Amino acid sequence: EAEVAQSPRYKITEKSQAVAFWCDPISGHATLYWYRQILGQGPELLVQFQDESVVDDSQLPKDRFSAERLKGVDSTLKIQPAELGDSAMYLCASSEQGRWFFGPGTRLTVL
Amino acid sequence: QQQVKQSPQSLIVQKGGISIINCAYENTAFDYFPWYQQFPGKGPALLIAIRPDVSEKKEGRFTISFNKSAKQFSLHIMDSQPGDSATYFCAAVYNQGGKLIFGQGTELSVKP
Repeated sequence: EAEVAQSPRYKITEKSQAVAFWCDPISGHATLYWYRQILGQGPELLVQFQDESVVDDSQLPKDRFSAERLKGVDSTLKIQPAELGDSAMYLCASSEQGRWFFGPGTRLTVL
Repeated sequence: QQQVKQSPQSLIVQKGGISIINCAYENTAFDYFPWYQQFPGKGPALLIAIRPDVSEKKEGRFTISFNKSAKQFSLHIMDSQPGDSATYFCAAVYNQGGKLIFGQGTELSVKP
C-alpha cells in the first residue's frame, strides 16, 4: 500500500537555527497537509495545499514558518528561527476522496 | 476553542474487557467523524469512521455509536487486546476535503 514519506524522522537543533522537513504524499493526491502534534495532544493543522496552492494557512506562524509545494507534489516545511516551543512531532498527510493518510512524522527537538 | 472534546485522557482496561472513549463536538456542520489509532513514533492511522446519518457502525471489534441530537459519538473496543494499546483520536470534518479537527487523544493501555 502506498504511504506518505517524510524525512528526516528525527531532528535535534538549537534555538535560533533553521530547520526544514520534507514530505512526499501518496502519488496522485492533490491535497497535502502539515500538522503539528505537541506531546500528549491531538494534531493541529498548520497548512493545507491543493496542488501547489495554499488553501488554509491560518494557523501557521508566518513570522517563522513557511511551507511550499512548488510543483504540486512534494512539500517542504521550514522553521527559521526555531524556538524551544517548536519542539513537537510534525506530521504530513495527504487525502483523496475523504480519506486522510498520515506519514510517520518528524520529531523535532529544539535545545 | 476546542471544537472536539475527548475523554478520558487515559484508560486502563483488562484483556478481554470493553474500552470506551467518548467525544463531543460543537459545530453542527461537521459531516464526517473518523477515529484514528496512533502507536508511539508513528503517524495516526484511520481505524473506523461514521457519518451523522448513521447511529452505529461496526467493523470487527470496533464500533462507533453516534448521537446526533446530543452531538456526541463514542468508540467501543470489544474484547480489548494488549495489541490495542495505543493513543486513540476522534476527529471531525466539515465537508470532505476540508479541515480535519482532532480531539485531545486517549491513551489506552490493555493489561494482560
